[in-house]
Amino acid sequence: TQLLEQSPQFLSIQEGENLTVYCNSSSVFSSLQWYRQEPGEGPVLLVTVVTGGEVKKLKRLTFQFGDARKDSSLHITAAQPGDTGLYLCAGAGYNQGGKLIFGQGTELSVKP
Amino acid sequence: NAGVMQNPRHLVRRRGQEARLRCSPMKGHSHVYWYRQLPEEGLKFMVYLQKENIIDESGMPKERFSAEFPKEGPSILRIQQVVRGDSAAYFCASSSTGKGEFSPLHFGNGTRLTVT
Repeated sequence: TQLLEQSPQFLSIQEGENLTVYCNSSSVFSSLQWYRQEPGEGPVLLVTVVTGGEVKKLKRLTFQFGDARKDSSLHITAAQPGDTGLYLCAGAGYNQGGKLIFGQGTELSVKP
Repeated sequence: NAGVMQNPRHLVRRRGQEARLRCSPMKGHSHVYWYRQLPEEGLKFMVYLQKENIIDESGMPKERFSAEFPKEGPSILRIQQVVRGDSAAYFCASSSTGKGEFSPLHFGNGTRLTVT
């Protein structure tokens, strides 16, 4: 069974601080996706990383896929209150169709 | 609205009743996925359907739960004889292909089922 361990589960920081969220597994994934979910809404895709070692940037967010395709990280620089939300990593297995394995999520709170 | 539409947004059922959750995928999408989310947990895969076919139902309980995606109309997740443990948010997602790494999922806003 493929599992994704996401840490930390909760994170409360002040505006302007940096943070990193980790997503780890013992399984290899064909791709890793990061989603953000607001209360009462469905997850919204932020980025997909496909190649081992790949780094993608989305404004103040930096996403990295591990060389072995088993782990990923999300780094936020100078966090803003608008970054508050639930961040979810999700892995796609090989020949699994669009079925995704989700981590437990990181609940981020950025205080002004 | 061209996004994934789920209804109802909130559903209250008494123990033993049936719950029917509907999902209309994005226009042009023929792949539908159902996920369940409990508080402080990530989303758990339930079932993957393509028009008129169940492709993968490995995450769906074998009893009381069923899903369909007919040729015409929305996908339906049906829960018979609901129990309190079925209370959760149920999310539907769709994609244009069945290749997750190249065709990301678009999620609806979910149906929140409460069993009293």
